[in-house]
Amino acid sequence: AQSVTQLGSHVSVSEGALVLLRCNYSSSVPPYLFWYVQYPNQGLQLLLKYTSAATLVKGINGFEAEFKKSETSFHLTKPSAHMSDAAEYFCAVSARDDKIIFGKGTRLHILP
Amino acid sequence: EPEVTQTPSHQVTQMGQEVILRCVPISNHLYFYWYRQILGQKVEFLVSFYNNEISEKSEIFDDQFSVERPDGSNFTLKIRSTKLEDSAMYFCASTPQGYTDTQYFGPGTRLTVL
Repeated sequence: AQSVTQLGSHVSVSEGALVLLRCNYSSSVPPYLFWYVQYPNQGLQLLLKYTSAATLVKGINGFEAEFKKSETSFHLTKPSAHMSDAAEYFCAVSARDDKIIFGKGTRLHILP
Repeated sequence: EPEVTQTPSHQVTQMGQEVILRCVPISNHLYFYWYRQILGQKVEFLVSFYNNEISEKSEIFDDQFSVERPDGSNFTLKIRSTKLEDSAMYFCASTPQGYTDTQYFGPGTRLTVL
């Protein structure tokens, strides 16, 4: 079975500062891992996904995530936060050919 | 860019009433999904649909729920007799070729059961 834990339901960073959103996963098989973003009143948009190729995955809007098997982690980072990054971020996991399991989400607040 | 659309954006209903949530997936996609998100909780998988039949459903998707693709474009979720705990945001998603593809989500329908 697969599961995801996102550490911190709310994270605040200053504009221009590093963004780090933490995600740990559990999977009985090699996983696919995803980060989705949800802007207010919008649907979920895929930021990036890991599918067993490179462990450092680059996504849209300057975000990237690193798959660390030894730590069962898939943390999301962005070097410099922008006001437009304020949103809810969801980490998700799936086994191949299986449904996606989402974490509870982390709301990112950007401070001016 | 093609996108998944959902109607209505907000639905208010009385407990015990039937509701139908509508989705128009991306036109060349073959796999369709419904998820729900109760306020403050995680996004939960409800059901997947392929080739005009359910391919997988979660324990949440009981006999009160049904899905249908009535024509070549719409994908609907019906709740036969709504309960208070059905209040949630319901998301539709579609993929070209199954779970390993990127899932494209609609903006959601917020269902409020009074």
